[in-house]
Amino acid sequence: DAGVIQSPRHEVTEMGQEVTLRCKPISGHNSLFWYRQTMMRGLELLIYFNNNVPIDDSGMPEDRFSAKMPNASFSTLKIQPSEPRDSAVYFCASSFKGLGENNEQFFGPGTRLTVL
Amino acid sequence: AQSVAQPEDQVNVAEGNPLTVKCTYSVSGNPYLFWYVQYPNRGLQFLLKYITGDNLVKGSYGFEAEFNKSQTSFHLKKPSALVSDSALYFCAVGGGFKTIFGAGTRLFVKA
Repeated sequence: DAGVIQSPRHEVTEMGQEVTLRCKPISGHNSLFWYRQTMMRGLELLIYFNNNVPIDDSGMPEDRFSAKMPNASFSTLKIQPSEPRDSAVYFCASSFKGLGENNEQFFGPGTRLTVL
Repeated sequence: AQSVAQPEDQVNVAEGNPLTVKCTYSVSGNPYLFWYVQYPNRGLQFLLKYITGDNLVKGSYGFEAEFNKSQTSFHLKKPSALVSDSALYFCAVGGGFKTIFGAGTRLFVKA
């Protein structure tokens, strides 16, 4: 298994541009999570999906952020317009959740975003 | 509400010595408890978890963790530290859909 796949691995863009981050979860996993990590704020949960449905997006910082999961094997996180304070490493993670279970998450390698 | 605390920002230990990274939690009901490790420029990697059963849980790379219900703690331990264990360690508590991660503890193992 290739694990969780994220692209791009690095993204440098200018303020005001649209940024799209992509994630392919592990096959068979039904839960997907987007996190943001910075030195100042640590690891923050942005949004999570179960069976392709967004369950909780309370961690999404602003309306500039949006996430979709059109099918079980693909998710995107979009920032439009981007700002310098969005610079961070963005992680996607997936897990399998059965009824009443909470299993370990498998993290992708992350996308390092720099907004100039 | 669930919460998890890692009281130490950093732990320093000499190679070959035992190490402990501390974690305390707060959760209603039975907890799912996890430890993850993050090496530089990598995503978090799962080390071990506690659901039910034995209070001592064994995981990857020789790590183990001790669940203590009365102290609401889940400390990570290793009998003999390696320089390669130097990394950022996260404790996490899960329930329902959500997993709450601690702030992380940076472990430095000196040769």
